Amino acid sequence: GAGVSQSPSNKVTEKGKDVELRCDPISGHTALYWYRQSLGQGLEFLIYFQGNSAPDKSGLPSDRFSAERTGGSVSTLTIQRTQQEDSAVYLCASSLSTPYGSSGNTIYFGEGSWLTVV
Amino acid sequence: AQSVTQLDSHVSVSEGTPVLLRCNYSSSYSPSLFWYVQHPNKGLQLLLKYTSAATLVKGINGFEAEFKKSETSFHLTKPSAHMSDAAEYFCVVTLSGTYKYIFGTGTRLKVLA
Repeated sequence: GAGVSQSPSNKVTEKGKDVELRCDPISGHTALYWYRQSLGQGLEFLIYFQGNSAPDKSGLPSDRFSAERTGGSVSTLTIQRTQQEDSAVYLCASSLSTPYGSSGNTIYFGEGSWLTVV
Repeated sequence: AQSVTQLDSHVSVSEGTPVLLRCNYSSSYSPSLFWYVQHPNKGLQLLLKYTSAATLVKGINGFEAEFKKSETSFHLTKPSAHMSDAAEYFCVVTLSGTYKYIFGTGTRLKVLA
């Protein structure tokens, strides 16, 4: 696609329910990132994918959070047993990648998935 | 280790006056540096980036930034603020050979009529 696409754009869920957030990166971008942005806060790194592999999951807040990527394209971030503190904007980004990493390459962001846990 | 510090969490300017958003970085090697803008309820949009070419980088919407190695700074400027510039601005540093993009905490720009 022309840009990074995220769905749903808004999600209100009850505490304890599971949610899935989807990211469709720019075609040909092998690197994919998930970030979380809480109200009035900066960006918190969650996970990085290179192709279908996730060499860095260090930012996932707890074992309730998981993510996968299939076909080197679409990624899904799953939050199980949601808590109120999970309420935030979840941003996905993608970039081209070189043998030396993605640095210097622009990362392109989606519009975000706004999650509210009530 | 890399890090980035945005020195002001909030900046207010009057419409038509210059904008200065400050960013200092820490990096052992030559970094790549970016400025992103986030308008309310939107994703992040690239304003400009520095990747060891010209030290003065021009971006979209009249913004520019100068890479100063001696000062480890990458401040964002614009000669004349417009109401539509009101947004949150993020300075980002990354290091050659890695995938990590380190974000600053953001500067919220307010433009007064």
